[in-house]
Amino acid sequence: AQTVTQSQPEMSVQEAETVTLSCTYDTSENNYYLFWYKQPPSRQMILVIRQEAYKQQNATENRFSVNFQKAAKSFSLKISDSQLGDTAMYFCAFMTRDTGNQFYFGTGTSLTVIP
Amino acid sequence: EAGVTQSPTHLIKTRGQQATLRCSPISGHTSVYWYQQALGLGLQFLLWYDEGEERNRGNFPPRFSGRQFPNYSSELNVNALELEDSALYLCASSLEGLSSSGFQETQYFGPGTRLLVL
Repeated sequence: AQTVTQSQPEMSVQEAETVTLSCTYDTSENNYYLFWYKQPPSRQMILVIRQEAYKQQNATENRFSVNFQKAAKSFSLKISDSQLGDTAMYFCAFMTRDTGNQFYFGTGTSLTVIP
Repeated sequence: EAGVTQSPTHLIKTRGQQATLRCSPISGHTSVYWYQQALGLGLQFLLWYDEGEERNRGNFPPRFSGRQFPNYSSELNVNALELEDSALYLCASSLEGLSSSGFQETQYFGPGTRLLVL
């Protein structure tokens, strides 16, 4: 079974500080793709960052970076210099082509950036 | 470049009725995905269409169905609506197939249709 677990339903961080959102997943596949999406209160899902499982180097997108630990099946998201606009629900997801391109999402972490 | 669009933004139906939700993918994208996001839950995969064909289906009853048109837009139909069908329905699109950078796996989401069943 393919599962994604986000164990932190809610988190908060002071503006300009750094926060890490955790995600673990379970799959028997070797070739898969991992994603972090954010869903602000306006509800449009936006891609934050993606990682190919075959790449050892952690992905980075400006203030967003991941810590991908393949053996531990862990895929955490670090947000540096948090901004008010980062307030959103964050979803961790993965996809394998062997499951018909189906994305498996976690239940999300609600992040609030405090001024 | 226009993103994924969905219509209507809100839909109110009564139990037993049918609902039709529409999605237009990003220009050039051939795959459309449908997800259900019930309150307090994560996204649940419903359907995947590519090149007009249903490629994969999530664990939902047959009263959830859809289709993809030649212009790659898509409809999601929900028949015999039940109260628990009330949710945000999200559509996503992606570019299926090889490109210069390999397979395109990223899905881009629309704003969603909020369906309320009374």
